[in-house]
Amino acid sequence: EIVLTQSPGTLSLSPGESATLSCRSSESVSSVYIAWYQQKAGQGPRLLIYEASKRATGIPGRFSGSGSGTDFTLTISRLQPEDFAIYYCQQYGGSSLTFGGGTKVEIK
Amino acid sequence: QVQLVQSGAEVMKPGSSVKVSCKASGGTFSRYAINWVRQAPGQGLEWMGGIVPIFGSRKFAQKFEGRVTITTDEPSTTAYMQLSSLKFDDTAVYYCARSIGTWGTAFEIWGQGTSVTVSS
Repeated sequence: EIVLTQSPGTLSLSPGESATLSCRSSESVSSVYIAWYQQKAGQGPRLLIYEASKRATGIPGRFSGSGSGTDFTLTISRLQPEDFAIYYCQQYGGSSLTFGGGTKVEIK
Repeated sequence: QVQLVQSGAEVMKPGSSVKVSCKASGGTFSRYAINWVRQAPGQGLEWMGGIVPIFGSRKFAQKFEGRVTITTDEPSTTAYMQLSSLKFDDTAVYYCARSIGTWGTAFEIWGQGTSVTVSS
C-alpha cells in the first residue's frame, strides 16, 4: 500500500500570506493519480486539485498543485479567511487508494 | 447538479451490521465510481472501497476486505455500504463520494456524511 506523508502537521499563517503544503509518497506515483482536498470543521471534504495540478470546478486560482514522482505540493497564495482548514492529499491509482494524514492550516 | 444524499445517523451494538445508503440525484449514476470513505473522530480520511455500477466491478481496501459489502440499485440511483462485525473503533462518519470518472479518478462529489456510533 502506498503511504502518503503530509508535512507540516500544522501551518500557522496570517491572512494574505502564502501556504506551501507537502505530500510525500512512499513510492513513485503518476501525477495523474494525485488529488488534494479541503475539509472545514463539521463538513465533508471538497475536491480542490486533481491530476496533481488541475483545479476542480469552482476552485479559485489561488490554489495550485505541482509535483511528480514522490513529491507533491499544494500552494495557496494570499490566504483568505475561508482557507483555514485541513488539507489532505490522496493517491487514487492502482488497486488501493490512500490519503495522507492531513495538514491543518490555522490562523496565526 | 449532482448531489449525493446519505441516510441518517445510526447507533449500533458491537458485532452487528450497519447499512448506509447514498442516493444520487441530478446526473448519470452508473458510469462513475462510487467510493466509501470514513473518518473516525478527530482523525483523517480512510478509503474503504468502491464500485463502478456499469461494470459491476468493486475494489476494497485490504483492511475491510470480507467485512464490507458495497452494492448499487441502478433504478433508484442508490449505492449502499454494509459493514459487518462492528467494533467500537468503527465509530466514524461514513461518506460516499462519486469519482470524476471510473477507477483512477479523483472524488469530485461527496455526500453529507453518516455518523455511525458503535456502543454497547
